[in-house]
Amino acid sequence: AQKVTQAQTEISVVEKEDVTLDCVYETRDTTYYLFWYKQPPSGELVFLIRRNSFDEQNEISGRYSWNFQKSTSSFNFTITASQVVDSAVYFCALNFGNEKLTFGTGTRLTIIP
Amino acid sequence: NAGVMQNPRHLVRRRGQEARLRCSPMKGHSHVYWYRQLPEEGLKFMVYLQKENIIDESGMPKERFSAEFPKEGPSILRIQQVVRGDSAAYFCASSHPSGNYEQYFGPGTRLTVT
Repeated sequence: AQKVTQAQTEISVVEKEDVTLDCVYETRDTTYYLFWYKQPPSGELVFLIRRNSFDEQNEISGRYSWNFQKSTSSFNFTITASQVVDSAVYFCALNFGNEKLTFGTGTRLTIIP
Repeated sequence: NAGVMQNPRHLVRRRGQEARLRCSPMKGHSHVYWYRQLPEEGLKFMVYLQKENIIDESGMPKERFSAEFPKEGPSILRIQQVVRGDSAAYFCASSHPSGNYEQYFGPGTRLTVT
């Protein structure tokens, strides 16, 4: 069975600080996909990124970056120079292709102006 | 290019009534997933459908809940005889059959049972 753990329930940082959200996963499969979603206060779920298990290259998109390390089963998400608009709940998730997503419990990020 | 559409956005039902939640996937997407988010919790998978087929319903409660994705029209999640514990946000997601496995979510339906 697969599992996703987001140990940080809530994080608060002052605007412009960098912040890293942790995600640790468990699976016995060799082929899998990892995702991050953002849920702002308005409630919708916004897709941020998908990684497959064969691609360990880190990815950067603007102020967002992701660090995928198979050796530690982690897929961490860093926001640099945080902004108030980054305040949201962030979910890490795992699946095996065209199957259900297994979500972590989420990390509530608050950016203090 | 419309995203995943869900309606209604908010639904209030009295205990014992039926709730029908609708989901129209993104254009070109033939895979639909339903998830439930209880207050202050993460999302839990309910059911995965393709056109006219239920692929995985391992997350569906055994009673009162059903889902369909007909050949024409939106996917429907139906909850019969709702109870207070059914109050939650219900999200639909869709993905393309090409194999990129990215699931895009609709805005959700917030169900309140009074």
